[in-house]
Amino acid sequence: GAVVSQHPSWVICKSGTSVKIECRSLDFQATTMFWYRQFPKQSLMLMATSNEGSKATYEQGVEKDKFLINHASLTLSTLTVTSAHPEDSSFYICSANQRGHTDTQYFGPGTRLTVL
Amino acid sequence: TQLLEQSPQFLSIQEGENLTVYCNSSSVFSSLQWYRQEPGEGPVLLVTVVTGGEVKKLKRLTFQFGDARKDSSLHITAAQPGDTGLYLCAGVGNNDMRFGAGTRLTVKP
Repeated sequence: GAVVSQHPSWVICKSGTSVKIECRSLDFQATTMFWYRQFPKQSLMLMATSNEGSKATYEQGVEKDKFLINHASLTLSTLTVTSAHPEDSSFYICSANQRGHTDTQYFGPGTRLTVL
Repeated sequence: TQLLEQSPQFLSIQEGENLTVYCNSSSVFSSLQWYRQEPGEGPVLLVTVVTGGEVKKLKRLTFQFGDARKDSSLHITAAQPGDTGLYLCAGVGNNDMRFGAGTRLTVKP
């Protein structure tokens, strides 16, 4: 149980285009979803926290207009990287809390974004 | 500034050796978690420690939570090549989680 999937697992795009990454909780309702970014050989950095049906809370230094987050249902959150640039290339990982178990996050497998 | 300081950052040892990874913070957490991450994959939860002074064992891995709930350690006995990976500690607060910088462990056969 408590499986989180991400799609796509990897994506390559041209500079200036937008890319959407999906995060789904497959067998539970996720009241809160988190988006992380991980650069090579570095740790996970929290980008934003989103609760179903409300606006995401972004960490300091993360541009909300560049990284659009939509958490429209209890099983789906999307991250859209708008006008992507090579410096946005990274490994993006989502996680989700299960309702009533806020001390445990279940992580997705990650999405490797490469911007040419 | 990293909220959670992990040390060492890199560790390369021979199979059969023991090792300890440390996770320190000036903040108190409701719980602390340890994860292991393989390249190209999401982190996988190893353990959650909640009570100050708590010790948990997972086969050859021993996890300890400091009495003040600000620090933790991970000890691996008789390391094996399969233990190679990135070990991350994460402090759990009010509906969020902060990761340490990670310890990249390489166990040579």
